[in-house]
Amino acid sequence: RKEVEQDPGPFNVPEGATVAFNCTYSNSASQSFFWYRQDCRKEPKLLMSVYSSGNEDGRFTAQLNRASQYISLLIRDSKLSDSATYLCVVNLKAAGNKLTFGGGTRVLVKP
Amino acid sequence: GAVVSQHPSWVICKSGTSVKIECRSLDFQATTMFWYRQFPKQSLMLMATSNEGSKATYEQGVEKDKFLINHASLTLSTLTVTSAHPEDSSFYICSALSPLRSPSYEQYFGPGTRLTVT
Repeated sequence: RKEVEQDPGPFNVPEGATVAFNCTYSNSASQSFFWYRQDCRKEPKLLMSVYSSGNEDGRFTAQLNRASQYISLLIRDSKLSDSATYLCVVNLKAAGNKLTFGGGTRVLVKP
Repeated sequence: GAVVSQHPSWVICKSGTSVKIECRSLDFQATTMFWYRQFPKQSLMLMATSNEGSKATYEQGVEKDKFLINHASLTLSTLTVTSAHPEDSSFYICSALSPLRSPSYEQYFGPGTRLTVT
């Protein structure tokens, strides 16, 4: 079983619609969680950290469910520029702050 | 603006030669730097963790004699791909960590180096 699993997609989303997807992680000792966005042939860029109480940043909402070991990302009012691969990333501080990346979920927003 | 730089951004080399990639943190001292590799349509895979002044810790399956990492200062780490082969062609990305800069242990990624071995 992979340490961090994501639905690879692609999620084809009409412009203006809402899309949500999850990520599961296997190590219950994981301590920090992030969503990164990666555009084609570019480096990952931090979209948002994920906090236990859930957090929102504009049109993006992230949730963490420690009991079920998953995190989610919801994008409201999708823009064409939201088309990207979204990487679920988990930090295991006890392992020297190594980040473990999920395989990514590809989102395609279409007009 | 960018906080981590990588050089070169892309490189083409012949099989059997060595290539050095530099990773620099621009406005902070990085206690730890990480090196990742990403093949097409795959996610980032951690290759090694590098702490300034000490030997790098390599992930399982990564040959330390082939991928030489030097972390000479708190702002510079280098990755040298020795005796490169076509299967080493990949996107190499570094990241830098500074708990002082980011208490949430966010890693700052460089723009990546695209290596093509012919």
